[in-house]
Amino acid sequence: NAGVTQTPKFRILKIGQSMTLQCTQDMNHNYMYWYRQDPGMGLKLIYYSVGAGITDKGEVPNGYNVSRSTTEDFPLRLELAAPSQTSVYFCASSYSRLAQNNEQFFGPGTRLTVL
Amino acid sequence: AQKITQTQPGMFVQEKEAVTLDCTYDTSDQSYGLFWYKQPSSGEMIFLIYQGSYDEQNATEGRYSLNFQKARKSANLVISASQLGDSAMYFCAMGRAQKLVFGQGTRLTINP
Repeated sequence: NAGVTQTPKFRILKIGQSMTLQCTQDMNHNYMYWYRQDPGMGLKLIYYSVGAGITDKGEVPNGYNVSRSTTEDFPLRLELAAPSQTSVYFCASSYSRLAQNNEQFFGPGTRLTVL
Repeated sequence: AQKITQTQPGMFVQEKEAVTLDCTYDTSDQSYGLFWYKQPSSGEMIFLIYQGSYDEQNATEGRYSLNFQKARKSANLVISASQLGDSAMYFCAMGRAQKLVFGQGTRLTINP
């Protein structure tokens, strides 16, 4: 199993550009998540999904959009990039609800810089 | 709202010593989970240990144990016999249902 994979690993965007961060998991997990990690900080939840066709906002959703058309894929879309979106983005997945000891498996991250 | 506080920005420990990383949390939920993750300099997030709010015994995973004091709302991570490879950022997180809230992390440095 590859686990959770993310592409690209690095990207530099100009202000106002758009891009999609790709995330794929091959563990047949129902739950998927997008986090951002600003320098020296912990992770903050952007969006999450409990299954194909179902998504919901996390703590910091503004400026982002998501979709979940398949169990495996959970892309994150930035429509109008801003310098405040410079961060490392992590995708994660889990089999079921957190409170039942189902850890989240993280991808390697995408380092995004907006200039 | 849920909140996680890690009050130690950095810690320096001699190899083979035990180390305790502090974590306090605030929540009005009765059912929740507490997690610790390790983030080495390479950047990936590695799951270490989990404690459920209704678990009566402290969780253990190899050299890692979680000192859970529910009344004090603390969930400290204890690493026994530290190794050079333990040098990393450590994050405490609390979750209920689909959402994890992370603390700001503690940078642990193990000195030879």
